[in-house]
Amino acid sequence: GAGVSQTPSNKVTEKGKYVELRCDPISGHTALYWYRQSLGQGPEFLIYFQGTGAADDSGLPNDRFFAVRPEGSVSTLKIQRTERGDSAVYLCASSPGGGAVGYTFGSGTRLTVV
Amino acid sequence: DQQVKQNSPSLSVQEGRISILNCDYTNSMFDYFLWYKKYPAEGPTFLISISSIKDKNEDGRFTVFLNKSAKHLSLHIVPSQPGDSAVYFCAADNSGNTPLVFGKGTRLSVIA
Repeated sequence: GAGVSQTPSNKVTEKGKYVELRCDPISGHTALYWYRQSLGQGPEFLIYFQGTGAADDSGLPNDRFFAVRPEGSVSTLKIQRTERGDSAVYLCASSPGGGAVGYTFGSGTRLTVV
Repeated sequence: DQQVKQNSPSLSVQEGRISILNCDYTNSMFDYFLWYKKYPAEGPTFLISISSIKDKNEDGRFTVFLNKSAKHLSLHIVPSQPGDSAVYFCAADNSGNTPLVFGKGTRLSVIA
């Protein structure tokens, strides 16, 4: 597609539930990044994929968070046993390769845990 | 520990005047710096960047200055326009070895 697509745009879930957030990167972009933006904060890095593999998952806050990119294109961020503190905007970005040049962000998924 | 700091959460400027947004960093390994602009309910969009081998980069109304010895950069917008009202994020990169590190952002309001 023309840009990075994230679905859903909004998600409200109950505490303790499981959620999946989807990211469709720009076609041909090999690098894909997940960030989380809490209120009043800048985007905080979660995980980075180069192709199908997670090249850096050092930003995942705990083992409730997991992400996959099985075919090197679409990625899914999975959050188990959601907590109210997980409420944030989850941003996905893709780029042609590793490196800062060419990051294109999606509009994000606003997750609210009630 | 915040590696990229934007100490001013907000800035208000009159239309036509200069807007100056500041950013400091602590990691001396950073060698590429970017500014992103974010409107509500949209993702950040790239605005302008600068490599550490330069001290200035200009693109139309936007100029970024880098002072490596002070680990400081600034974004100048002149003349400011109401459409520039947004949140501006400073971001830094380490030769592509690590994902971008962002500051907390500065909300710019340009008043007509």
